[in-house]
Amino acid sequence: LAKTTQPISMDSYEGQEVNITCSHNNIATNDYITWYQQFPSQGPRFIIQGYKTKVTNEVASLFIPADRKSSTLSLPRVSLSDTAVYYCLVARVIGGGNKLTFGTGTQLKVEL
Amino acid sequence: DGGITQSPKYLFRKEGQNVTLSCEQNLNHDAMYWYRQDPGQGLRLIYYSQIVNDFQKGDIAEGYSVSREKKESFPLTVTSAQKNPTAFYLCASSIQGGVGTDTQYFGPGTRLTVL
Repeated sequence: LAKTTQPISMDSYEGQEVNITCSHNNIATNDYITWYQQFPSQGPRFIIQGYKTKVTNEVASLFIPADRKSSTLSLPRVSLSDTAVYYCLVARVIGGGNKLTFGTGTQLKVEL
Repeated sequence: DGGITQSPKYLFRKEGQNVTLSCEQNLNHDAMYWYRQDPGQGLRLIYYSQIVNDFQKGDIAEGYSVSREKKESFPLTVTSAQKNPTAFYLCASSIQGGVGTDTQYFGPGTRLTVL
């Protein structure tokens, strides 16, 4: 399975754009890249998913280069409530389910 | 109000006792999953199920058992064979599984402490 590597922690200030990069060097052809957000003592929440190029939704953008060996989650104008752990995942289809390989994630801390 | 629920939120058990964690969803999802999360760590897959009466082992199935008698329910039993059961347990569901774009929706979790 594709192993993901992302920074352990990042600090930012309110109103700034935050970019979290994840590397997944051995990503396979049928793997999708998904990002989740998790607050303490809660289940992860889906943020965005992509396969290649750029994907944008109401909360974030996801940039994936042509070789797909990395991806970057972009959070525009963060606020204090964006303080959370962000997981980069490579979703592999396995039989009847989807295997999500969770790394340790990136702890984002947003300050005033 | 659709969603995925887990109960209880906190659970305490004595060492050597089996304990069952509940997971229910009314999203009409076919696939369901159980994960374990330890402090400062990511999630590890315990079991998953695509359809009723069928389930598969994940990465760390030893010491756990599941059943899928109903589409909306996927209970997890932590048995006395599990060496380090104290952890945060998360249940998830997805529309069908087996598809690359399928998104998992997580419940609020159950924090199990074995004394």
